[in-house]
Amino acid sequence: DAKTTQPTSMDCAEGRAANLPCNHSTISGNEYVYWYRQIHSQGPQYIIHGLKNNETNEMASLIITEDRKSSTLILPHATLRDTAVYYCIVDPGGTYKYIFGTGTRLKVLA
Amino acid sequence: EAGVTQFPSHSVIEKGQTVTLRCDPISGHDNLYWYRRVMGKEIKFLLHFVKESKQDESGMPNNRFLAERTGGTYSTLKVQPAELEDSGVYFCASSQVGGRKYNEQFFGPGTRLTVL
Repeated sequence: DAKTTQPTSMDCAEGRAANLPCNHSTISGNEYVYWYRQIHSQGPQYIIHGLKNNETNEMASLIITEDRKSSTLILPHATLRDTAVYYCIVDPGGTYKYIFGTGTRLKVLA
Repeated sequence: EAGVTQFPSHSVIEKGQTVTLRCDPISGHDNLYWYRRVMGKEIKFLLHFVKESKQDESGMPNNRFLAERTGGTYSTLKVQPAELEDSGVYFCASSQVGGRKYNEQFFGPGTRLTVL
């Protein structure tokens, strides 16, 4: 199974860009990278996904390195409401069985 | 469009009792998943339905857990008899893959189960 490694925690000043890294060195060629976040005890919220190209939507941008061994989620202008645990997930072999790690606890500071 | 809904939001039962959790996926989503987080641990996959069929139930902890999805719509997860270690938050998710190769899952708010 492809596994991911993320820093345990990060702080970001409100209004600044939050850059959350993820390593997925064992990713296979056809496996997508997904990012989710969990605010308090709510259900995980989908943010973005990508395969090899950089992606952007209304919530965030996803930068995937050329070798696909790592990626970075960018929240361009972090707000206090972005304080959450962020999960980077690689779907192992298209099984649809998400494997959650410990994620990165992002704290946005006023 | 309504998201994934789960009922109840919170359940408190005594050890040995039975509890049934319900999940209503997003309309039209053939794929339905159950996950759970027990105290201090990571979110873990339990099982995956495609319509009414169990595609993967490798994460089900033991035979006290029974999941069903009658008619390929809503799903139930029954725990019988409940044990203390079953306490945690149970999440349901759904997705519609169709011909795509990717699969974003949409999660419900979860059911917090407390076994006393």
